[in-house]
Amino acid sequence: QVQLVESGGGLVKPGGSLRLSCAASGFIFSDYYMNWIRQAPGKGLEWISFISRSGNDIYYADSVKGRFTISRDNAKNSLFLQMNNLRAEDTAVYYCARENVATGTSDSWGQGTLVTVSS
Amino acid sequence: QLVLTQSPSASASLGASVKLTCTLSSGYSSFAITWHQQQPEKGPRYLMKVNSDGSHNRGDGIPDRFSGSSSGAERYLTISSLQSADEGDYYCQTWVTGMRVFGGGTRLTVL
Repeated sequence: QVQLVESGGGLVKPGGSLRLSCAASGFIFSDYYMNWIRQAPGKGLEWISFISRSGNDIYYADSVKGRFTISRDNAKNSLFLQMNNLRAEDTAVYYCARENVATGTSDSWGQGTLVTVSS
Repeated sequence: QLVLTQSPSASASLGASVKLTCTLSSGYSSFAITWHQQQPEKGPRYLMKVNSDGSHNRGDGIPDRFSGSSSGAERYLTISSLQSADEGDYYCQTWVTGMRVFGGGTRLTVL
């Protein structure tokens, strides 16, 4: 079955860096777009980044542009998010989600990984 | 600017039906949206895609108690025969090139 498993979250100081991973299984990873979405404590969902199947098209929300970098390794069925210059407001659960190319739907989500930015 | 607007809260009784609304901002009334459910302390789960003509496609394993419809710029999620497990947050989402957008979510309480 389709599975997305995020890892790499943890406690980091303001200004620090963290790299999140999302391991995909149960489907042909290279057939899907991928997104990172986050949820701050007690808040709603916020889309932060998109990557196309080949990685040639990449988009970011303004809140993370210039600080976060999305990438993927189709040979290893993995999605990544490099987060630099972290701020307190980046504290959130980070989810990866696959996006169906044909329908545009984010039809499968991971369970999330918690990132806490605090001194 | 592409914005999705949802009421912050809704409530309905066990066994009853409830209709949640997601409104697309001006100029985007032809857009499809997707609905996602987030039960307490869990990750989101894809429910369905709702097109501007009201047609909808449920995700795998989503019961037919969940249905979608449309009217103008509004997209709806109707849940019938409410169960306690339906309690949680419901988010709508849409997309344009370069951006994905979520509504603020509706918290559903099953009384």
